Amino acid sequence: DAKTTQPTSMDCAEGRAANLPCNHSTISGNEYVYWYRQIHSQGPQYIIHGLKNNETNEMASLIITEDRKSSTLILPHATLRDTAVYYCIVRGGGADGLTFGKGTHLIIQP
Amino acid sequence: NAGVMQNPRHLVRRRGQEARLRCSPMKGHSHVYWYRQLPEEGLKFMVYLQKENIIDESGMPKERFSAEFPKEGPSILRIQQVVRGDSAAYFCASSPRRQGTNEQFFGPGTRLTVL
Repeated sequence: DAKTTQPTSMDCAEGRAANLPCNHSTISGNEYVYWYRQIHSQGPQYIIHGLKNNETNEMASLIITEDRKSSTLILPHATLRDTAVYYCIVRGGGADGLTFGKGTHLIIQP
Repeated sequence: NAGVMQNPRHLVRRRGQEARLRCSPMKGHSHVYWYRQLPEEGLKFMVYLQKENIIDESGMPKERFSAEFPKEGPSILRIQQVVRGDSAAYFCASSPRRQGTNEQFFGPGTRLTVL
């Protein structure tokens, strides 16, 4: 699986858009970008995934650069409940276990 | 559609006892994964199972740990002769295995404390 690099922590004001970057310069052509988050003491939560095109769902948007070497997860209107550790994971379409790195600790400030 | 269910949510064992953790996947999901999260650390993959089959156990400790996913009933993660280092949160996830994707849906976890 391709290695990912994320900032250790980020702050964002409540109500503003939170933009979380992820670098994955060694991604291969058949690998997807997945985002999960873990709110303190809870099980991880799937957010979104994409291959090449930008994706949007009810939780977030995923912007993948044209060369696919980086991506940004966007939470359009962050709330206090979005405070969590966000994990960017790159892997193929197989059904294997996920490899979680250290992620980004996003803190939403009131 | 109920989410992934795990029980018990909290489990206390003394050193040398056995721990059994249960996981019921989401309805229609036939793929189950177990992960372990040690205190102040990230999640580590342990084992991936389909009904009656272990597909990948590359993350399982070689001794004392075993997992099963029988034809009927929940998946079980079993830890024999627990030691203090086994204290952790154990998360189960299930997947519908749609072609080409790997979305996994996690349960609330079982917090194991070994005294």
